[in-house]
Amino acid sequence: GDSVTQMEGPVTLSEEAFLTINCTYTATGYPSLFWYVQYPGEGLQLLLKATKADDKGSNKGFEATYRKETTSFHLEKGSVQVSDSAVYFCALSEPGGTSYGKLTFGQGTILTVHP
Amino acid sequence: DAMVIQNPRYQVTQFGKPVTLSCSQTLNHNVMYWYQQKSSQAPKLLFHYYDKDFNNEADTPDNFQSRRPNTSFCFLDIRSPGLGDAAMYLCATSRDGQRNEKLFFGSGTQLSVL
Repeated sequence: GDSVTQMEGPVTLSEEAFLTINCTYTATGYPSLFWYVQYPGEGLQLLLKATKADDKGSNKGFEATYRKETTSFHLEKGSVQVSDSAVYFCALSEPGGTSYGKLTFGQGTILTVHP
Repeated sequence: DAMVIQNPRYQVTQFGKPVTLSCSQTLNHNVMYWYQQKSSQAPKLLFHYYDKDFNNEADTPDNFQSRRPNTSFCFLDIRSPGLGDAAMYLCATSRDGQRNEKLFFGSGTQLSVL
């Protein structure tokens, strides 16, 4: 079945450092890809998405590019802030009309940013 | 304002004692989902409703049931909780369940089983 693998955490960075969180996937066909973020005490919320190969999703300074050839969707940010401290989840939505938007998640990566 | 609301935030139950978790939404979305998230693991889909149509994942244990009495509310019933059912339970919605749609999540209910 479909699966998502994220880099192991936790990740600890200083403010203004460069961030990469790796994500690779296994799926039949061409899924849609997402990054969700969970701030402390809150629910998951969509950070960005990409729906086809070579699409780049971006939001709040974060970017990720859908790479079909490497089956990857790595999350990057050029300069992190303390407020970016959260858990980041990579996810895919199965292709096909009957998937009902079901998401398959990676295990999450905890990011802590120090001043 | 919270759009997907889960109650309670923390729930403690005893081994084998039935427990119900609730979720409500103000978005009028057609699809509602229940995910189980164990510590340091990926959220795992248990089941979802498209309107009144219930769709169970193949590997969801029979111990887990769900009800959706109307568009706004959805309940997760655990008939006989075991220690292995201790987890965060996440409710989510999407408007029509299209593959590119964003899911809206509640803050979750953390279930402890004593």
